[in-house]
Amino acid sequence: KAGVTQTPRYLIKTRGQQVTLSCSPISGHRSVSWYQQTPGQGLQFLFEYFSETQRNKGNFPGRFSGRQFSNSRSEMNVSTLELGDSALYLCASSLERGGEEKLFFGSGTQLSVL
Amino acid sequence: LAKTTQPISMDSYEGQEVNITCSHNNIATNDYITWYQQFPSQGPRFIIQGYKTKVTNEVASLFIPADRKSSTLSLPRVSLSDTAVYYCLVVGPNTGFQKLVFGTGTRLLVSP
Repeated sequence: KAGVTQTPRYLIKTRGQQVTLSCSPISGHRSVSWYQQTPGQGLQFLFEYFSETQRNKGNFPGRFSGRQFSNSRSEMNVSTLELGDSALYLCASSLERGGEEKLFFGSGTQLSVL
Repeated sequence: LAKTTQPISMDSYEGQEVNITCSHNNIATNDYITWYQQFPSQGPRFIIQGYKTKVTNEVASLFIPADRKSSTLSLPRVSLSDTAVYYCLVVGPNTGFQKLVFGTGTRLLVSP
């Protein structure tokens, strides 16, 4: 079974631009969650989608948004990029709702904002 | 959500057994203890999960005492490739994603 796939692997943008990241979950998994990881803040939850609906949202500004398609693939968008948005963005998939379930992470998208 | 405490870093040598202990004093009855491993610039990878006593898989063992206030991840005969950050999480049916805290983890360095 193929794992969680995230594209692109690396991205360089400048301040003020916007970016879209993609995540393809493991086949059959309906829950996709997104995380931001930085050296200073660790791994922080952004939001979670299940059956095309955002079920949970972390404490991030509205510049961070996402969506999920009918095939469970998910995209994350960051508008008006700031230098502090430089981070490793990870997505994870699970069968249902996460929590006590195993989360399967992708390799992430390393975003650098210049 | 049960807060977890684990050592910031540990050093070991190839071939040794490594034990990483995690404290979770406020663990709830329905909570599980879950460990993830993360290599640089990669996503965390599930290692093992347990509720009580001992769980073993092909990668590691997890020891949980009767009071469940702590747990120990045991890595037998580590190799250089086990150098990574290890996260202990306490999760349960009521753990929302917002409460899923990976913390700083334990940075394990395995030397030749």
